[in-house]
Amino acid sequence: QVQLRESGPGLVKPSETLFLTCSVAGSSISSGYYWGWVRQPPGQGLEWLGAVYHGVDTSYKSSLKSRVTISVDTSKNQFSLKLQSVTAADTAIYFCARSQCSYALCPFDLWGQGTLVTVSS
Amino acid sequence: DIQMTQSPSTLSASVGDRVTITCRASQSLSNWVAWYQQKPGKAPKLLIYKASTLESGVPLRFSGSGSGTEFTLTITSLQPDDFATYYCQQYSSQLTFGGGTKVEIK
Repeated sequence: QVQLRESGPGLVKPSETLFLTCSVAGSSISSGYYWGWVRQPPGQGLEWLGAVYHGVDTSYKSSLKSRVTISVDTSKNQFSLKLQSVTAADTAIYFCARSQCSYALCPFDLWGQGTLVTVSS
Repeated sequence: DIQMTQSPSTLSASVGDRVTITCRASQSLSNWVAWYQQKPGKAPKLLIYKASTLESGVPLRFSGSGSGTEFTLTITSLQPDDFATYYCQQYSSQLTFGGGTKVEIK
């Protein structure tokens, strides 16, 4: 059974960098899927941030492209999200997820439980 | 970027009702649309992909239809477990979610 789990600081100061990790259990992160991040501000809707494939291809939401980096660490079987220059608007629950298709960016069929990150001084 | 406009934003319904949620895309998507259900404090759950294909384990009362720019999610007989928020998502070009539809008890 494949499981994803997010980890990282729950509080980040404005202008600093948010860094989250998603640990994958039960599947190799090199198994041919896209792995992505989605966030949800409290009480609001879902926002796709980006995804990575095999550490070879990345795709980012256009409006966040200058601040977002998603990368893979195959030795630890995990992938990570880096979001620079955060503001209060980046306060959200951050989910990691796996795309259901092999070799293509598709809907996410597996999700982590989500982790709340608050941006505040 | 492709925009997804979902309606209504809130829907009040009773157990047994037929419920329809609509999503309109800013450009043609063929059938590259998915639907998710999300309950408070939980991650979204994939219900439907390719506009009308039911994800494994999803009850048959859920169905999806549409192509091009207009898509619908229908629940034929609303059950107590179905009160939740529903999101459409396009994956024709990157990924974009609709704004969500909260289905609440009437």
